[in-house]
This record gives sequence, C-alpha cells and structure tokens, in this order.
Amino acid sequence: AQTVTQSQPEMSVQEAETVTLSCTYDTSESDYYLFWYKQPPSRQMILVIRQEAYKQQNATENRFSVNFQKAAKSFSLKISDSQLGDAAMYFCAHGGGSARQLTFGSGTQLTVLP
Amino acid sequence: NAGVMQNPRHLVRRRGQEARLRCSPMKGHSHVYWYRQLPEEGLKFMVYLQKENIIDESGMPKERFSAEFPKEGPSILRIQQVVRGDSAAYFCASSPQEDSPLHFGNGTRLTVT
Repeated sequence: AQTVTQSQPEMSVQEAETVTLSCTYDTSESDYYLFWYKQPPSRQMILVIRQEAYKQQNATENRFSVNFQKAAKSFSLKISDSQLGDAAMYFCAHGGGSARQLTFGSGTQLTVLP
Repeated sequence: NAGVMQNPRHLVRRRGQEARLRCSPMKGHSHVYWYRQLPEEGLKFMVYLQKENIIDESGMPKERFSAEFPKEGPSILRIQQVVRGDSAAYFCASSPQEDSPLHFGNGTRLTVT
C-alpha cells in the first residue's frame, strides 16, 4: 500500500519570497506518478505539477518546481515569488502505474503574508 | 470546454435518508473517479468507473454506498441510510485515458443532521 506524508500542517511565506513544502512517500511500485494539488477556499482541486517517476529531470511549471529525490522517496514543492493567490491547502499525491488511484497526503495550509 | 460538473454543491440530509451525488465528466472523458474528503484530511479514493463498468471499488464502504456511470447521463454516487459519519466533501474527477492527470470537480459537501 502507498502512503504519503506531509509533515508540515501549516506554512507561511512573505509575498515575493520562496517557500518549500515537504512531502515523503512510500511505495512498492517502480512506475508511478507524483502530483501536487492546490485547494483554495473554493474547494476546487487544481493540479499544480506532475512528475513521472522514471524521469530524472525535476518538473517545472512557471513559479512552481519540484525537488524529486527518488531514492529518498521525497517530493518537495518550491514556490518562487509567492503571490497572495498562492494561499491555499496544498496536497501531495502518489499515483500507481496507471495513476488511477491517487493516495493523498494530509495537506499543508499555506498562508501568504502581504 | 466545461470542466467536471458536480451537483449539488451542498446537500443536507437527515439520518436514514438517501443521498445522490451527480458528476458529469469533462467532454471526451470516459474515466470517472470518486474521492471523499473528511474534515482536516486529504482525499481518499473510493471508486473508479468507466462507462457502464466499475473498474476498481476498493475504497468504497461495503454497505450503503454504490456508484454507477451509465452509458447516457452523469455518474451517480448513492449513499443509502446516511449516518453522521458520512458528512464529508465528495469529489469527482475525470480523465480521457487511464494514465492521464485527473481533472477534479468542485465537490459536493454532504451534511448529515
């Protein structure tokens, strides 16, 4: 069974600064995907970034990037130049070979301070 | 292209009543997933369906819960004889293929009084 652990229930960052959210996971699969989702107060789940485990290169989407350490089973999210709109709950998730059943962490509530 | 549509947005039921949650996937998506989010927790997988077929229901409670995705119309998550512990946000997601990223709806918040 897969597990995903987010050890930071809450984080805060000053606007325009950089923040890193931590995530570790455990899996017995060799082929899998990792995701970061953002959930603002509207409750919508928004895909921020996706990483295929077979790819060594870290995924990047504009101000969002990941540090994927496969051997350590670590998948952290870095948000650069933080904006007020980045404030949300962030969930790390693991998907199996077909990525159909996602296992989510418990989330990190990010506050962006003006 | 409209996103995943879920309705109702909020649903209040008394203990013992039935709850029906609807999900219309994105156009062109034939894979539907249901997840449940309890307060202060992450989403938990419930069931994965393709048109007219349940592919994986390993996360679904054995009793009172059922799901369907008929050939025509939305996917339905049905909870019979609801109890207070069923209060949660229920999310539907869809994808065009099995290994494509999931697109989530805005969820239905079920409150059992």
